[in-house]
Amino acid sequence: EPEVTQTPSHQVTQMGQEVILRCVPISNHLYFYWYRQILGQKVEFLVSFYNNEISEKSEIFDDQFSVERPDGSNFTLKIRSTKLEDSAMYFCASSVASGSEQYFGPGTRLTVT
Amino acid sequence: KQEVTQIPAALSVPEGENLVLNCSFTDSAIYNLQWFRQDPGKGLTSLLLIQSSQREQTSGRLNASLDKSSGRSTLYIAASQPGDSATYLCAVDNQAGTALIFGKGTTLSVSS
Repeated sequence: EPEVTQTPSHQVTQMGQEVILRCVPISNHLYFYWYRQILGQKVEFLVSFYNNEISEKSEIFDDQFSVERPDGSNFTLKIRSTKLEDSAMYFCASSVASGSEQYFGPGTRLTVT
Repeated sequence: KQEVTQIPAALSVPEGENLVLNCSFTDSAIYNLQWFRQDPGKGLTSLLLIQSSQREQTSGRLNASLDKSSGRSTLYIAASQPGDSATYLCAVDNQAGTALIFGKGTTLSVSS
């Protein structure tokens, strides 16, 4: 069964460093999303992406964040200058169409020291 | 602003019991409601999606109902098993293709 994959599974970085989290959505899906979950808290929406542009973003997704679909398969989230409070599990999700079921990847645990 | 609440926060039951998990949302103008399962330190597995025009969805031992007007959904798990132990999350979106807004989840423990 097709699934969303994410790499790396765990990333440790120092405050102020740039990180890129990678996702490979399900191949025939057209809508892509990033969410995050700080330990013990709710899953929070960051950004959605369709047709090579951002369709919606939350107030968390400030200028330090960017997303890109550099080729036909990868979808990336970049954090330019990480802060301690960026430590969280980051989930990528995809859906085949607008309003259809979102499928989540296993997540990347980001630890900022 | 849409808020999603799940009660109870935690639930412990013996194997074989039928149980109900509750989800409520403040804005009834939802497009979809989706139930997920999350194992500790893992990703989210989609269990059921209910469109706003639907009343319920079933998958195996799981049945989810939706009462949009009252802002409530329930997830019914029949004949619970230890393997059902996980956190169950409810999420809604207000428009097609937009953000899912999550509740904090109900952590279920099924003892053998």
